Amino acid sequence: GQNIDQPTEMTATEGAIVQINCTYQTSGFNGLFWYQQHAGEAPTFLSYNVLDGLEEKGRFSSFLSRSKGYSYLLLKELQMKDSASYLCAVRDHYGQNFVFGPGTRLSVLP
Amino acid sequence: DVKVTQSSRYLVKRTGEKVFLECVQDMDHENMFWYRQDPGLGLRLIYFSYDVKMKEKGDIPEGYSVSREKKERFSLILESASTNQTSMYLCASRSLGGNTEAFFGQGTRLTVV
Repeated sequence: GQNIDQPTEMTATEGAIVQINCTYQTSGFNGLFWYQQHAGEAPTFLSYNVLDGLEEKGRFSSFLSRSKGYSYLLLKELQMKDSASYLCAVRDHYGQNFVFGPGTRLSVLP
Repeated sequence: DVKVTQSSRYLVKRTGEKVFLECVQDMDHENMFWYRQDPGLGLRLIYFSYDVKMKEKGDIPEGYSVSREKKERFSLILESASTNQTSMYLCASRSLGGNTEAFFGQGTRLTVV
């Protein structure tokens, strides 16, 4: 079966660091993606991991451990505009489909 | 700039109506997808297509059908709309390459009354 878990909601303060966790159990694995989705808008791509380790992209980093079925998205120097939902998605064995988690709604407070 | 365009942002339809949601991409992508997004459930795959005239059922295909007559266009059809199909519908496309992400349209919020 396919199961991806994320916390439903998180709150953090402007300027702080926040870590959003994602655990997955899927029938196949061919990469993990993080997307950002502002309310009422389309999801936009943030990061991709296929090998274990950390990928860094400016204020955003994403980590993957395939043996543990675990990933996290790290957001540094939080800004008000980072208030959004963050979606974890696993690409399946055949590499064609994405299985999405429920998303984590992050609220950044002044 | 890559673009996935959905024909409507908001739609209100009556129960029993046949509804067409259109999606067009300008990136020459092979794969196209239709998802619905509901609070607490995330994005769920309805149908996808990996080539013209090819389609595969996703996780929740019941009550839906799709059409892909041209590479750039992927249509979602609700044969007889029901109130439980009230949702946000998102179209996405991606190329066949290894680490390529999916690009999403802006979404269609469908209300069935």
